[in-house]
Amino acid sequence: DTGVSQNPRHKITKRGQNVTFRCDPISEHNRLYWYRQTLGQGPEFLTYFQNEAQLEKSRLLSDRFSAERPKGSFSTLEIQRTEQGDSAMYLCASSGGTSYEQYFGPGTRLTVT
Amino acid sequence: QKEVEQNSGPLSVPEGAIASLNCTYSDRGSQSFFWYRQYSGKSPELIMFIYSNGDKEDGRFTAQLNKASQYVSLLIRDSQPSDSATYLCAAPGGTYKYIFGTGTRLKVLA
Repeated sequence: DTGVSQNPRHKITKRGQNVTFRCDPISEHNRLYWYRQTLGQGPEFLTYFQNEAQLEKSRLLSDRFSAERPKGSFSTLEIQRTEQGDSAMYLCASSGGTSYEQYFGPGTRLTVT
Repeated sequence: QKEVEQNSGPLSVPEGAIASLNCTYSDRGSQSFFWYRQYSGKSPELIMFIYSNGDKEDGRFTAQLNKASQYVSLLIRDSQPSDSATYLCAAPGGTYKYIFGTGTRLKVLA
């Protein structure tokens, strides 16, 4: 069990560019979550998957954000036409079976200049 | 809109004292709750999970749940400077989905 991994750990991009982040959950976990966290705030729910199905997406999430989990293993989060307000830590978490416990990856810190 | 509220702090306690962190939630039907610890610049780390009324103890940590009053608390006994971090409370926001509070920053003074 190597835990949840995320890549890249840091990303600096210019406004208007597209970025993609990857999350690899704990291997036996079938649920995968994406959160966004800004300074002084708790993690804000973005979306989650059970296996390959995206079961819920936050209404706060604009259509510039899209997430996939095509084979029910790793997931990608893409942000199109980035804005400075997208600068944040993007966290991935996973959980499995009947357990509610979520385990977080190290996060991807995005800076939009 | 389901909500989780925490005092942002900072809560300062001397080394060796008991730190008491509180969290209230809006959904009376919520059943289970988490406490996470987050060091500056790091991701949240799960430290406690509680789903029954009363107390749950794990080492120096005790989680307390009072469903009638809709609050959950975390007690840290014999606080150490290494406990200085932000503590996040999470409550159910749907099936297998959790909502986080803004966190309480704890400072343990040596």
